[in-house]
Amino acid sequence: AQSVTQPDIHITVSEGASLELRCNYSYGATPYLFWYVQSPGQGLQLLLKYFSGDTLVQGIKGFEAEFKRSQSSFNLRKPSVHWSDAAEYFCAVFSPGAQKLVFGQGTRLTINP
Amino acid sequence: DGGITQSPKYLFRKEGQNVTLSCEQNLNHDAMYWYRQDPGQGLRLIYYSQIVNDFQKGDIAEGYSVSREKKESFPLTVTSAQKNPTAFYLCASSKNYEQYFGPGTRLTVT
Repeated sequence: AQSVTQPDIHITVSEGASLELRCNYSYGATPYLFWYVQSPGQGLQLLLKYFSGDTLVQGIKGFEAEFKRSQSSFNLRKPSVHWSDAAEYFCAVFSPGAQKLVFGQGTRLTINP
Repeated sequence: DGGITQSPKYLFRKEGQNVTLSCEQNLNHDAMYWYRQDPGQGLRLIYYSQIVNDFQKGDIAEGYSVSREKKESFPLTVTSAQKNPTAFYLCASSKNYEQYFGPGTRLTVT
């Protein structure tokens, strides 16, 4: 069965610093991968997705992610974070057999001023 | 404006009562999903529907029921059999593997 691991439950970075959120997946074939962001008490918003092609994908709000098949990873990056980036971030992989998304546990991002 | 609406934003019920959460979408998507979110546990799939008049149990379906009589609507009923119903509930619809989420309903049962 597909699974997604986000090793970091909580990360704190200073405003203006770079950010990398880790995501590892378990899936045999080429995965369909997603990163979502959730502000407190809100729904999830899609940041970016990877289906095929260029392994470095650009998303909204200045985020990017790199698919590395050899490491089964899809880490999310941002060169310089803003206070408004404080939120919870979820990595997900689509399971074709079950026709559903499998989510990681999420990483909560705190921004220090 | 296309999107997914969930109502109400906050819902309070007494223990032992059934309660129905609304989810409507005007994106013309075939697939719809219900998730439950608890602090520190991510999203857990309750039920999903790939097409009208058909739905499947997710990972935590016990104590919940759904219907899919119209493409636009996928209401979730939290029954009195659900032991810990207090949670944040999210509805989503899907096209081309991508899921679009509603704003959520926070249910508190006392």
